Amino acid sequence: GAVVSQHPSRVICKSGTSVKIECRSLDFQATTMFWYRQFPKQSLMLMATSNEGSKATYEQGVEKDKFLINHASLTLSTLTVTSAHPEDSSFYICSAPGSGASSYEQYFGPGTRLTVT
Amino acid sequence: GNSVTQMEGPVTLSEEAFLTINCTYTATGYPSLFWYVQYPGEGLQLLLKATKADDKGSNKGFEATYRKETTSFHLEKGSVQVSDSAVYFCALRPDGTGRRALTFGSGTRLQVQP
Repeated sequence: GAVVSQHPSRVICKSGTSVKIECRSLDFQATTMFWYRQFPKQSLMLMATSNEGSKATYEQGVEKDKFLINHASLTLSTLTVTSAHPEDSSFYICSAPGSGASSYEQYFGPGTRLTVT
Repeated sequence: GNSVTQMEGPVTLSEEAFLTINCTYTATGYPSLFWYVQYPGEGLQLLLKATKADDKGSNKGFEATYRKETTSFHLEKGSVQVSDSAVYFCALRPDGTGRRALTFGSGTRLQVQP
């Protein structure tokens, strides 16, 4: 089946620095990718929809200047957490819909655990 | 808007016990419904899905039936194993193709004891 990878799987950064998280579709093309955030013992909350070749669409309450999304190619979307603070510590997960006969499916990356100290 | 409500956990069962995790949803139209599983330290994996009313999704002994009249998609398994210990998420996707984001329930942690 289709595979979505994320890098890094874990990252620890200091408050005030920026962190980039990559999401790649390994064997299929994804014009759309979704970024979710999962707080401990809570559900996944959609942050934004990443669109190849155009601006990302952010959910209400998500600061687009803080969470920069770039969909550079049909297989890569990046989420950059700028000027990170401890409250940004979370588990970030991306997903991508399949294509063709698999267009009903969504494939999730393994997630990136961000810890801001 | 769309929402998914599932029972709070943790649910603790003995091996071979019967499992039910309740899930109800609110959505317009005819959403697709999903159950995802997240094992410790791993990402989300699709467990099963149903795309229209009365469909039954099944996988690995788990089943769930799309009940439009009760707006429910309860997850069941007749005999759980220790290896089923994980967090289970009910989710919906609005009408259409996979190019729509999912709305997730809060997740239910299942702990199966030997």
